Amino acid sequence: DAGVTQSPTHLIKTRGQHVTLRCSPISGHKSVSWYQQVLGQGPQFIFQYYEKEERGRGNFPDRFSARQFPNYSSELNVNALLLGDSALYLCASSSTLSTDTQYFGPGTRLTVL
Amino acid sequence: AQSVTQLGSHVSVSEGALVLLRCNYSSSVPPYLFWYVQYPNQGLQLLLKYTSAATLVKGINGFEAEFKKSETSFHLTKPSAHMSDAAEYFCAVSDPGGYQKVTFGTGTKLQVIP
Repeated sequence: DAGVTQSPTHLIKTRGQHVTLRCSPISGHKSVSWYQQVLGQGPQFIFQYYEKEERGRGNFPDRFSARQFPNYSSELNVNALLLGDSALYLCASSSTLSTDTQYFGPGTRLTVL
Repeated sequence: AQSVTQLGSHVSVSEGALVLLRCNYSSSVPPYLFWYVQYPNQGLQLLLKYTSAATLVKGINGFEAEFKKSETSFHLTKPSAHMSDAAEYFCAVSDPGGYQKVTFGTGTKLQVIP
């Protein structure tokens, strides 16, 4: 079975632009979580969606938003990009709400110039 | 609030030597605890997890960790380091009863010296 997939792999944007990152969970998984990993730090939780509803939100500004589609894939949107948004964005999927079944994708590397 | 502290941002060991990566956690409820490994330019791979069953947890690639409630620790060990173990390791904690938020430590980069 395919693992968690994310697109694009790499992305370069300029300050003030908008970006959309995409994630396809493992087949049968209904939960998707998003994390931001700034270079040299551990990942930080942004959102969790389960059954198309937001179930958790981390300490990120309203410029960050996400949604989950009927096929359980997900998009992370970031508006008004700042230099500090440059990071690796990781998506994780799970079959349940529990964290003990979470699998991570390879990530999208976003560079903001 | 939950948190983890990883002691030592960089650890160097000789090939064949014991690997010991330290992690202490803080949690108001019995936690789930994890160790993840990240190779350069890749995502996170789960090494092992503690979910309130056996306190000694065995993972992939010969790694294991022991949950010690009295010390609030979950240190990662491997008896004999291989060159392929060179990577960054993250300890993480979550609340089993809450939503799917995992709180990660700042990571420990393991260097294996031939």
